[in-house]
Amino acid sequence: QSVLTQPPSASGTPGQSVTISCSGSTSNIGYNTVNWYQQLPGTAPKLLIYSNSQRPSGVPDRFSGSKSGTSASLAISGLQSEDEADYYCAAWDDSLNGWVFGGGTKLTVL
Amino acid sequence: EVQLVESGGGLVQPGRSLRLSCAASGFTFDDKAMHWVRQAPGKGLEWVSGISWNSGNRGYADSVKGRFTISRDNAKNSLYLQMNSLRPEDTALYYCAKEGVSGFDYWGQGTLVTVSS
Repeated sequence: QSVLTQPPSASGTPGQSVTISCSGSTSNIGYNTVNWYQQLPGTAPKLLIYSNSQRPSGVPDRFSGSKSGTSASLAISGLQSEDEADYYCAAWDDSLNGWVFGGGTKLTVL
Repeated sequence: EVQLVESGGGLVQPGRSLRLSCAASGFTFDDKAMHWVRQAPGKGLEWVSGISWNSGNRGYADSVKGRFTISRDNAKNSLYLQMNSLRPEDTALYYCAKEGVSGFDYWGQGTLVTVSS
């Protein structure tokens, strides 16, 4: 069981919008920022969103992140087939003194 | 261009040891904290260990505490993970990752560790 909770799967059709949730507690998301990673099939994870809502250079603005209380969300608009991947949220945990990840959400573009 | 290249993985029997290495280039290595993150076959990501730029701070996941040791050699731009008393549940792809403003902004391609008799 992961410290951060994500839905195991999500789906949408091309052009649609989809949101992936990430639930934690005060020791992680509540007091620390959230990062999101995209892992395309057979590849290493890639940083998608950092500090709750910041996009690294090169990440399309179709991807956006937000945080409220002990939960965070990743929103993807204008879905494209190449967005089909696993998405992970992560945050520092003050109680565990380490980084914690969500279990991952497999996004399918129908 | 930032590059992180892991090596040292392989098949090892339970209870034995293995040392992973990560060669870094394309950035000022001795400026940045570094981490190891693993992914068991078909599973999610798990943070394993991290080390500050000057080795002054090191952290470990509870699952590896007391068995794994992280270290770095800034003169060689290299990160290491000494893994002792390996268990079948340590079987995973081990990624080296660079810490950015927040989180891990660059990842290597990983090195596979298989613990089996």
